[in-house]
Parts: sequence; structure tokens; C-alpha cells
Amino acid sequence: GQQVMQIPQYQHVQEGEDFTTYCNSSTTLSNIQWYKQRPGGHPVFLIQLVKSGEVKKQKRLTFQFGEAKKNSSLHITATQTTDVGTYFCAGEHSGGSNYKLTFGKGTLLTVNP
Amino acid sequence: DGGITQSPKYLFRKEGQNVTLSCEQNLNHDAMYWYRQDPGQGLRLIYYSQIVNDFQKGDIAEGYSVSREKKESFPLTVTSAQKNPTAFYLCASSRTGLSNQPQHFGDGTRLSIL
Repeated sequence: GQQVMQIPQYQHVQEGEDFTTYCNSSTTLSNIQWYKQRPGGHPVFLIQLVKSGEVKKQKRLTFQFGEAKKNSSLHITATQTTDVGTYFCAGEHSGGSNYKLTFGKGTLLTVNP
Repeated sequence: DGGITQSPKYLFRKEGQNVTLSCEQNLNHDAMYWYRQDPGQGLRLIYYSQIVNDFQKGDIAEGYSVSREKKESFPLTVTSAQKNPTAFYLCASSRTGLSNQPQHFGDGTRLSIL
């Protein structure tokens, strides 16, 4: 089936360092969503990107959607211990059912205070 | 508070037994979803329902069954045919069934085999 590849699987940083996670698809995505799951918690919606080349910011988080709509990234500037968790991307493949999101496997971020 | 309630939080299944996981939402959302989460595997879609009295198989539906008789409820049955049921199960809902809608998740049910 169609997949969304996400890297890295794990990332450990010192507090204050930056962090980036990447999602890639072999086919064009109609949209991409990002979720955060704290340890022991459930995924929480962060943002959705729809347009080619779109960039959105939420405080220290910057989300990008590639020009070809096949890749996306989430960048966190100056990480804090509150950023700990697993970050998932989820996309809908163009020409698909319009009703299903495919989730990446997630990037687990740990932050050393 | 509006939200999604999953119960129980922990569930144990004996060999050959069917178990049912509950999912209720009071968000007045049309669409509901069941995902399975295994360590390092992300979220995999089991079943989804765009509207009451209708549901579709997801990517890993074998060994599972669902019903959607009421808008607010979407129970998942893990049957004895599911040979590896140990996992974290997440229920979600969205305002409509279109994939451009944010999904809201419950707190999950952790199922283990006795």
C-alpha cells in the first residue's frame, strides 16, 4: 500500500538545540497533517498543510510542505523539555479515497535538560 | 467537556475470546476511526466510518469487526481470529469523513493477552 516514510525514528537533543523530522511520500499528497503524542498519551493535532511550498509557524515550530507536495518537515527551534514526545505526519495520497490518512511511523524526540 | 471516551483503559484477553472496546464521542462528529499502534509502527487504520450505519475496512481489518448504529458510538470487537491482538488501540473522530479534517483521539485502550 501507499506509505509515508518518516525519519529519523529517534532523536535525542540537549535542551536548546534544534530538531527536525522529515516525511516523504513516493506519490503526491493532497494534504499533510502533523500530530504530537506525549509519552503515555494520545496523538494531538498540530497543523495541516495543503498548498505546494506552504510554510506555517506555531511559536518555535515551523512546518513546511514541499513544492512537489511529496515531502514535509517539522522544525523545532531551541527545544524545551515540554517538546518531548513522538511527532507523526499523516497524509492523504492524491487520487486516493479522500477519506483515509496514512500515518508515518513517527519520530520520538527526547530532550536532555 | 466535549471529547472522545475510550473504555476500558486496560483489557486482557484469553485465548479464543472475543473482546469489545468501547468508543464514544460527544463532539457531534460524523466520522470515526479505529487505529492500532504498535511500538515503532506508527498508527495503522483498522476500520473507519464516515457516517452512521456505514463503515469501511482500513489497512489491517482482518480479525476485527465494528458497528456504527449510533452517531456517537463506534465499538471495536477484537475476535479470536486476530492472532496478535496485543497493542494500543486508539479511537478517533473528525467532523466529516474527508481526510482534510483534523482527527481527535481518545486516550486509548491497551489490550494484552493472558
